[in-house]
This record gives sequence, structure tokens and C-alpha cells, in this order.
Amino acid sequence: DAGVIQSPRHEVTEMGQEVTLRCKPISGHNSLFWYRQTMMRGLELLIYFNNNVPIDDSGMPEDRFSAKMPNASFSTLKIQPSEPRDSAVYFCASTWDRRGNQPQHFGDGTRLSIL
Amino acid sequence: QKEVEQNSGPLSVPEGAIASLNCTYSDRGSQSFFWYRQYSGKSPELIMFIYSNGDKEDGRFTAQLNKASQYVSLLIRDSQPSDSATYLCAVNIASYGKLTFGQGTILTVHP
Repeated sequence: DAGVIQSPRHEVTEMGQEVTLRCKPISGHNSLFWYRQTMMRGLELLIYFNNNVPIDDSGMPEDRFSAKMPNASFSTLKIQPSEPRDSAVYFCASTWDRRGNQPQHFGDGTRLSIL
Repeated sequence: QKEVEQNSGPLSVPEGAIASLNCTYSDRGSQSFFWYRQYSGKSPELIMFIYSNGDKEDGRFTAQLNKASQYVSLLIRDSQPSDSATYLCAVNIASYGKLTFGQGTILTVHP
């Protein structure tokens, strides 16, 4: 079975540019999560969706970040404009249990570098 | 106090020994506990998970819960160099549907 699919795997862009990260959750999973991981801050939850609806976006750093889930099989995380401090690995994860009692399955991540 | 805390390590054990990793959590009502392994440059990979009703053993791995002291542990028996990784503890805080992750413990198993 296909796991969580993220694209691109690597992204290098200049400060000020728009960045769009993409995620396809595991088929049948109804909850999707976007995380950011850095050495300093560890793994941070940015936002999560249940049945395509944003439930908690309290982890989104600021208005430059936005996320959408137009359907059950696709989500995007957008940064506009990007800044060097946004450099991190961004993970998408999904699960079928909206209550959080089942494991989340992670994609391979997008390594983002903002120059 | 952080919601989920782990000793960042590094924890170094010789090959064949038992590695013991611990994680404390703040919410007494938490019911689901997860252990992930993350190799350098890779994504977190689920090792095992337990609920508040009991411990679990899976091969060389055992997860144990101490509800009274609010900590969960992961024991790795017969540690191998391939077990060297960062181990992340995650807790379902207040059943909100999201997991809160600890900072991770770096484990090094030396031959």
C-alpha cells in the first residue's frame, strides 16, 4: 500500500519567494497533520485537518503560512513570502482515527532551504 | 513544564545490552502513547504504541506505562548498532486528536 506521499522532497529557493508543499495522505485516512522539524525546536505541529476541515491551526507561525485541504486526498502548505528562518524539514502525517488513539503515519518529508 | 519531556541524551549502550528510554507527560488523562524511531535524515517511523490499560511487548521492544508517575518507557533488549537513532515519544494529550511529541532521545549502540 502507498504511504503518505509528499512533494517535493527538496526545495531550495530565495527569500521572498512563494513555497508550496504538497501531501497525499493514505487512502481512507480522515485526519491529516502538517509538522515542522528543526534541531532547535524539534517536531512541531503546525495544523491538522479532520475530514478536510482545519481543526487546530494554533501552531501556524504567522500569517505567511497557510494550509488547505480541498479534498480527502490532497493538502498543501504554502509559505508566502518565505524567510530564511522557515528552513526546516516539513512532514505530513495521516491517520484514520480523529481522536488520536491510533498511530500517525509520516511521509518522507520536504527539506526546505530558504537562502 | 512541557507537556511531553524526554532526556535528549545521548544515551550510549554497548551492543547486546538493554536500552531504557523514558518519557514523562503532564496530562493525567492521556490514554494513548506512541514510540517512533527516526534515523538521521529520515521520517519518524512507528515502533509501537500502548494504551493506558496495559504494557506491550513486540520482539525486542517493550513499552511500559506508569500511570501513577506519569511516564512511559521503551525497553530495547539485545541492542544492535542498527538501533542507533533518535527515539520520539508522543502522547495523545486530552484526546484532542493530535499528538504531542517529546524532543527525542538520541540512542547510540556501540559494538
